[in-house]
Amino acid sequence: DVKVTQSSRYLVKRTGEKVFLECVQDMDHENMFWYRQDPGLGLRLIYFSYDVKMKEKGDIPEGYSVSREKKERFSLILESASTNQTSMYLCASSPYSMVAPEQFFGPGTRLTVL
Amino acid sequence: GEDVEQSLFLSVREGDSSVINCTYTDSSSTYLYWYKQEPGAGLQLLTYIFSNMDMKQDQRLTVLLNKKDKHLSLCIADTQTGDSAIYFCAETGAGTALIFGKGTTLSVSS
Repeated sequence: DVKVTQSSRYLVKRTGEKVFLECVQDMDHENMFWYRQDPGLGLRLIYFSYDVKMKEKGDIPEGYSVSREKKERFSLILESASTNQTSMYLCASSPYSMVAPEQFFGPGTRLTVL
Repeated sequence: GEDVEQSLFLSVREGDSSVINCTYTDSSSTYLYWYKQEPGAGLQLLTYIFSNMDMKQDQRLTVLLNKKDKHLSLCIADTQTGDSAIYFCAETGAGTALIFGKGTTLSVSS
């Protein structure tokens, strides 16, 4: 079974703190993604990566950065957390495939910024 | 630009059929997907359809695609309380990224 794990299910941080969200997948997938999920807004893509040390901006990259030093790990960094970054963060991975690239999701990290 | 639209809520009785609708904008999308999210969990792929197909059936699930109208439907037969979840429609976006709709919350009452 493909497994995507996220370092924390729940996280509470203070405004201005630097926050690291970690995601690890065990299926040797090339592609990894970070989304945030907000009620009424659905999933919005923050960043994605299709290879080690490669990254691409998604639809809402402002206020975030990412790191992919190893194939299995994709980190989302909030340099200076703000209250409007309170959200559910979902990580996903997918293999390189020209046929129906399925994304496999982690359970999510619910981040609250006070 | 690219956008995927879904109604936000659907309420049905146990045993009835559910139909969740979605419209998308990118006619070049190769695949269209339905994901399910149960409370407190991440998304899980339910099914997908290739863009040159009109219909795909998988047990209680039927996916209908009207490519001319860019309309996608997910039909759930004999809906059960365990089907209560949020259902996301998605289309292929840039590279291997997916573009998701806002999600339809399906509520099944007994």
